[in-house]
Amino acid sequence: DQQVKQNSPSLSVQEGRISILNCDYTNSMFDYFLWYKKYPAEGPTFLISISSIKDKNEDGRFTVFLNKSAKHLSLHIVPSQPGDSAVYFCAASAGGNEKLTFGTGTRLTIIP
Amino acid sequence: DVKVTQSSRYLVKRTGEKVFLECVQDMDHENMFWYRQDPGLGLRLIYFSYDVKMKEKGDIPEGYSVSREKKERFSLILESASTNQTSMYLCASTPTPDRGYEQYFGPGTRLTVT
Repeated sequence: DQQVKQNSPSLSVQEGRISILNCDYTNSMFDYFLWYKKYPAEGPTFLISISSIKDKNEDGRFTVFLNKSAKHLSLHIVPSQPGDSAVYFCAASAGGNEKLTFGTGTRLTIIP
Repeated sequence: DVKVTQSSRYLVKRTGEKVFLECVQDMDHENMFWYRQDPGLGLRLIYFSYDVKMKEKGDIPEGYSVSREKKERFSLILESASTNQTSMYLCASTPTPDRGYEQYFGPGTRLTVT
């Protein structure tokens, strides 16, 4: 049972445009959400997070939006740059538990 | 700067061999995790540990065991390797929740079982 889903395995975006990566979850106990970025042959690195008490968090070119009623979060990257080409994973945590549940990942390709 | 290191980047083992994957973190983190990453399946949690000598099963513990004798070191053991354990293995660590839920990952070990 996949509690965190990323329904788009891949996404291609022109350089300079906005990239939007989506994530859906089913467990209503999740209250903290994170996005990780992974380059080939490297471990994932933390990008941005959001608590369920917020609906938006911004960090430079990266913004995460949370819609609790729809159990949906999205990551916006604007403007997209070639170095953003990577696999992006969303992850969720429930009730102060350090354990994370990860999605299946979306491969983002930025086209120069 | 947090550093998580894994003993090998690439490993090739034969079916039935006992395999040890080592992970070390240098930031005095309480919590450590082992994941495997497979195409189309994302990261799946195998085992995790909140403290020395403590371990808890994750979502896919079958065929694996772990050892945490020291706070900085968390080992994943494949008792009898099988071809379906061919995967990328990732170790991660994190401090206590009051310092956030961000996990710090090592570079991964790509294990091939033939």
